[in-house]
Amino acid sequence: EIVLTQSPATLSLSPGERATLSCRASQSVSNYLAWYQQKPGQAPRLLIYDASNRATGIPARFSGSGSGTEFTLTISNLEPEDFAIYYCHQRHTWPPFTFGPGTKVDIK
Amino acid sequence: EVQLVESGGDLVKPGGSLRLSCAASGFTFSAYSMNWVRQAPGKGLEWVSYISSGSSIKHYADSVKGRFSIFRDNAKNSLYLEMNSLRDEDTAVYYCARGPHCSGNTCYPFDYWGQGTLVTVSS
Repeated sequence: EIVLTQSPATLSLSPGERATLSCRASQSVSNYLAWYQQKPGQAPRLLIYDASNRATGIPARFSGSGSGTEFTLTISNLEPEDFAIYYCHQRHTWPPFTFGPGTKVDIK
Repeated sequence: EVQLVESGGDLVKPGGSLRLSCAASGFTFSAYSMNWVRQAPGKGLEWVSYISSGSSIKHYADSVKGRFSIFRDNAKNSLYLEMNSLRDEDTAVYYCARGPHCSGNTCYPFDYWGQGTLVTVSS
């Protein structure tokens, strides 16, 4: 099973700042890494797929990079609606599909 | 518009059974693989089960293998999860999620999710 580790667990930032979230895989997942955003009481929403491709309707301030075992989600200019929990997810080796434990981005 | 609507969540005693449903609309359901993913209160996401578009392939997380069964009815655009021998640790919001799937040269992970249905296992 591929284990995904995310850091930091919590990121405290102010609107307008840049957020950098990391995801590390226990073995290579090539570029089959996705990022999801989840707000309280809501379902996860796909942001980035295949490491760097924005899903339909996702603003350009969200960007993803990385390959192999190291990945980054960057939110370039935090908007109030971006404060949420972010999960990474791999579909390279399954079953099982796996998710990281999440990074919470909260308001400083 | 793609829509996934889960139902069937309830309060059930340990050892009990429950069937969850997911009604799909806005896309050709029979062409897509589907999944159940759960989230315990205050915790992260855990994949539970996968079913291929034609039901020929099914996979389960080790934590539910032998107790849960996934199936679908493409004529009714519906996905199901039969849950038996429920345990306290099965308490979670259960989401149905579409994917993974490929369109042309692009493949997508779980791209659409329902709003979830809450299963509480407690005596």
